[in-house]
Amino acid sequence: KAGVTQTPRYLIKTRGQQVTLSCSPISGHRSVSWYQQTPGQGLQFLFEYFSETQRNKGNFPGRFSGRQFSNSRSEMNVSTLELGDSALYLCASSGAKGGSYNSPLHFGNGTRLTVT
Amino acid sequence: GQQVMQIPQYQHVQEGEDFTTYCNSSTTLSNIQWYKQRPGGHPVFLIQLVKSGEVKKQKRLTFQFGEAKKNSSLHITATQTTDVGTYFCAGPMNNNAGNMLTFGGGTRLMVKP
Repeated sequence: KAGVTQTPRYLIKTRGQQVTLSCSPISGHRSVSWYQQTPGQGLQFLFEYFSETQRNKGNFPGRFSGRQFSNSRSEMNVSTLELGDSALYLCASSGAKGGSYNSPLHFGNGTRLTVT
Repeated sequence: GQQVMQIPQYQHVQEGEDFTTYCNSSTTLSNIQWYKQRPGGHPVFLIQLVKSGEVKKQKRLTFQFGEAKKNSSLHITATQTTDVGTYFCAGPMNNNAGNMLTFGGGTRLMVKP
């Protein structure tokens, strides 16, 4: 089975721009979670989608949004980028039918976003 | 808010020495998961513990879940250079909007050959 695929791997944007990151989960997985990883804050939960519905959202401003398509692929969008948004954005899929918090997460390689 | 804390933050060991990382939760957990992230890589699932007092082994790695289900530990016997990486524990927590898997800050293990 192919793993979780995230594109692009690297991205450089300037302040004020917006960015869209893409994630394709493991085939058959319907739950997709997004995390932000920074050296200072560690792994911070952004949101989780299951069957095209946002199931939970972390403590991030409204500039961070996401969606999930009928094929379970997910995108996250960050608008009006700030320098502090520079981070590794990780997508993870889970085969859980219930909350992904009770099942192993399978992470992609991440998208490293640099905001200048 | 609810938190998962890990200590130590960093650990340098000589190859062959043992290593332990500890994880503490502010609340009782239904399960705890452990992940390993190699430098430049992504977190990879290692194991999930569910029962109070549970102990599981994977070769040189021993995982424990506390009796009160609020703490956990990962012990590596006779470390090797392939053990280098950051080890994260994670547990389900509620943030008023629902449950999510909350990660500890991680313990970065460095092994000197």
